[in-house]
Formats: sequence, structure tokens, C-alpha cells
Amino acid sequence: GDSVTQMEGPVTLSEEAFLTINCTYTATGYPSLFWYVQYPGEGLQLLLKATKADDKGSNKGFEATYRKETTSFHLEKGSVQVSDSAVYFCALKRGYSTLTFGKGTMLLVSP
Amino acid sequence: DGGITQSPKYLFRKEGQNVTLSCEQNLNHDAMYWYRQDPGQGLRLIYYSQIVNDFQKGDIAEGYSVSREKKESFPLTVTSAQKNPTAFYLCASSIGPPSGLTYEQYFGPGTRLTVT
Repeated sequence: GDSVTQMEGPVTLSEEAFLTINCTYTATGYPSLFWYVQYPGEGLQLLLKATKADDKGSNKGFEATYRKETTSFHLEKGSVQVSDSAVYFCALKRGYSTLTFGKGTMLLVSP
Repeated sequence: DGGITQSPKYLFRKEGQNVTLSCEQNLNHDAMYWYRQDPGQGLRLIYYSQIVNDFQKGDIAEGYSVSREKKESFPLTVTSAQKNPTAFYLCASSIGPPSGLTYEQYFGPGTRLTVT
């Protein structure tokens, strides 16, 4: 079945550092890929998405590129802020299925 | 403001009692979903509904029940048959059914259920 694997956290960074959170997936066909963010005590918010190979999703300084050849959708940001501290979920959707989520990666940014 | 409302934010129950979690949306979305979130396990789908009076089991439906009598509402009942009900429960909705390849899910703020 479909699956999403994310790097384990927490990822601990200083403010203005470069962020990468790895995400790889297993799915047949051509899924759509998503990154969601969850701030403490809240629900999830869609951060960005990509629907086909080589698409780049971007929002709020975050970006991720859909790499079919490596089945990856790594999340990057050039300069993180304390307010970026949250849990980040990678997810995929294929065909008529619902979303399949990874386990989440916690990001902690210190001043 | 359009959005998804879940109430209450925190809920406490004794073991053996059924409890119903509320989810209401005013986004005019057709599809609604319930997820369970446990530490280190991500989100797992409990039930979803694509239209009124219809719903499907997700990956972990045992011990849960739902109803969809109105488009705006999708309550989840955690029954006494659920072996480990303490968790964070998230409701979501989407404008169309899961068959839409690019559809997005919008999430509510969640209800933290503690059963002792």
C-alpha cells in the first residue's frame, strides 16, 4: 500500500539556519504530494503542495520539489524563524484514495 | 469567517462511557473526515463521508461510529469498545470527494480526549 516516510525529529536549529526535512514516499502511479504544518495545540494547515513530477510547491519561504525519480518531496527553507517551530507532516494522495500521512517531524528553532 | 469548529477542546471521560465529539463546518464542503493523532504515529483515518447519509470506514474504525445527517455536521462517537481511546482527534473537510486529485483538506483545531 501507499506509505510516507519522514525523517525522525526533533530537528533543532538556530534562528536563520537552513532547514531540510526529508520525505520519501511509496505509491504506484502519480500521487499528489503535500506538506502540512501543525502548531502546538492546533489542527493542521496546508503549507504547500505539488501535483506532478518536477512541480515545486512554495509558501511562506518554504518550498519542496516533487522528484519522481527519487520518490521524494523534501521540505526546505533558507532561513528559519522561531515562529516556524511546529510539527511538519508530509502526505500523499493517489487516485480515489484519501490522504496518507507520514508520522510528522518536529522542528524546534531557538533564538 | 468560514471554518471548522470542534468542541470541546478538552474532554474527560471515565472508562466504559461512550462519548461524542462534535465537528461542524460552514465551508459548504461535501466531504468530511475524522482522524486520530497519537504521539509519534502521525494521523490515522477513522471514518470519512463524501455526502450526507453516507460514510466509509477508514484504517482504524473499530470502536468508533459516525453519522452524517446534515452537510455541516459529522459527529464522532467513541464507544466503550475502543480499547485505547485517549488521543487527539482531528476533524477535516474538503470541497469535493477524495476522487479529486488536487483536493485539499481543511482541519479543525482538534479535541483532546482523555479516558481514565
